[in-house]
Amino acid sequence: SQTIHQWPATLVQPVGSPLSLECTVEGTSNPNLYWYRQAAGRGLQLLFYSVGIGQISSEVPQNLSASRPQDRQFILSSKKLLLSDSGFYLCAWNFGRSSGNTIYFGEGSWLTVV
Amino acid sequence: KQEVTQIPAALSVPEGENLVLNCSFTDSAIYNLQWFRQDPGKGLTSLLLIQSSQREQTSGRLNASLDKSSGRSTLYIAASQPGDSATYLCAVLTGANNLFFGTGTRLTVIP
Repeated sequence: SQTIHQWPATLVQPVGSPLSLECTVEGTSNPNLYWYRQAAGRGLQLLFYSVGIGQISSEVPQNLSASRPQDRQFILSSKKLLLSDSGFYLCAWNFGRSSGNTIYFGEGSWLTVV
Repeated sequence: KQEVTQIPAALSVPEGENLVLNCSFTDSAIYNLQWFRQDPGKGLTSLLLIQSSQREQTSGRLNASLDKSSGRSTLYIAASQPGDSATYLCAVLTGANNLFFGTGTRLTVIP
């Protein structure tokens, strides 16, 4: 069966510090991969999605970036964190439309920028 | 741009009641609609997925309907239990393979 892991689960970082959140999927190949952010009291916002290695689409302009160095690995990064980057970050995966599209989420990473 | 709205934002019901959660979306050109459950501080768990060609899906005590032309979906929960307490989110998938989420309905089932 497929599983998705993301880490770290909780992170407290000072303003201006770098960020790296990592997500891996096991038990499948060539998944679509996503990074979402859920700010307090707000809905989920799609940040990045990837349909293959090295293919990254960005949905919102920001100081965050994403990379997909391997088929089942998706990394969210920042060179300098802002206070507004605080939130709950969720990695997710699914297959293409022909396979039904149910999307599966990781357990999330809480980021607090202080 | 697709906008997804969920009403009510919060709902409290006594145990055993049947309840309906609502989801509306502005652009009917969707590929599918999913309902998720999120427990506090946790990730999302997919409950039901309705393809754009379908009108409803059922899983146990849950039934989700989709009226694509009017941009609405409902999640019906029968015989609610305290363990159903969570935030329920709906999301629509567009042709660009993007999921647009509502802000959720926070459900509390009172024993």
